[in-house]
Amino acid sequence: GAVVSQHPSRVICKSGTSVKIECRSLDFQATTMFWYRQFPKQSLMLMATSNEGSKATYEQGVEKDKFLINHASLTLSTLTVTSAHPEDSSFYICSARDLTGGLSYEQYFGPGTRLTVT
Amino acid sequence: DAKTTQPPSMDCAEGRAANLPCNHSTISGNEYVYWYRQIHSQGPQYIIHGLKNNETNEMASLIITEDRKSSTLILPHATLRDTAVYYCIARSGGSRLTFGEGTQLTVNP
Repeated sequence: GAVVSQHPSRVICKSGTSVKIECRSLDFQATTMFWYRQFPKQSLMLMATSNEGSKATYEQGVEKDKFLINHASLTLSTLTVTSAHPEDSSFYICSARDLTGGLSYEQYFGPGTRLTVT
Repeated sequence: DAKTTQPPSMDCAEGRAANLPCNHSTISGNEYVYWYRQIHSQGPQYIIHGLKNNETNEMASLIITEDRKSSTLILPHATLRDTAVYYCIARSGGSRLTFGEGTQLTVNP
């Protein structure tokens, strides 16, 4: 089956620093990748949709200058949390859509990255 | 995408079938019903999806009512490792997945 990886799986950073999270589709090409955020005991919230070669589309309320998304190739998207603050501590999950999907367009999820800002 | 409604929690005995309901009364004709699950502190895992017909794979069965206003995910022989939050999502092809609150399934020994 399709595999999506994320790196790092866990990161701790100091307040004010920036953190980059990578999302890779390992055995398929993905024109579209999605970034979600999940706070404890809550559901996943879509942050942005990342299209290869074009600017990401952010959901309402998500600051595009704070959460920088780059999708430079069909297998890699990165999310950079700039000037991180403790309230940015969360579980960040990426998802990639299989380029070959027909009408159903399956999405495959990465294992998530736990960010803790101290 | 159509809104879905699921019970917040369910319990099931190990080895028994787990039947997870989902209401999607406003689903439109081109929207599929998808099921994902999320085990604690992991990314969501795809389970199954369907449009009109019942579907079965190695993980589960999906029963969709004839009017498509509700569906049931069936795990035929639940194990402790099936304890997770199960999400039912209605979406049309190409749209992004948005998650509701899901059902916390707890499989008890």
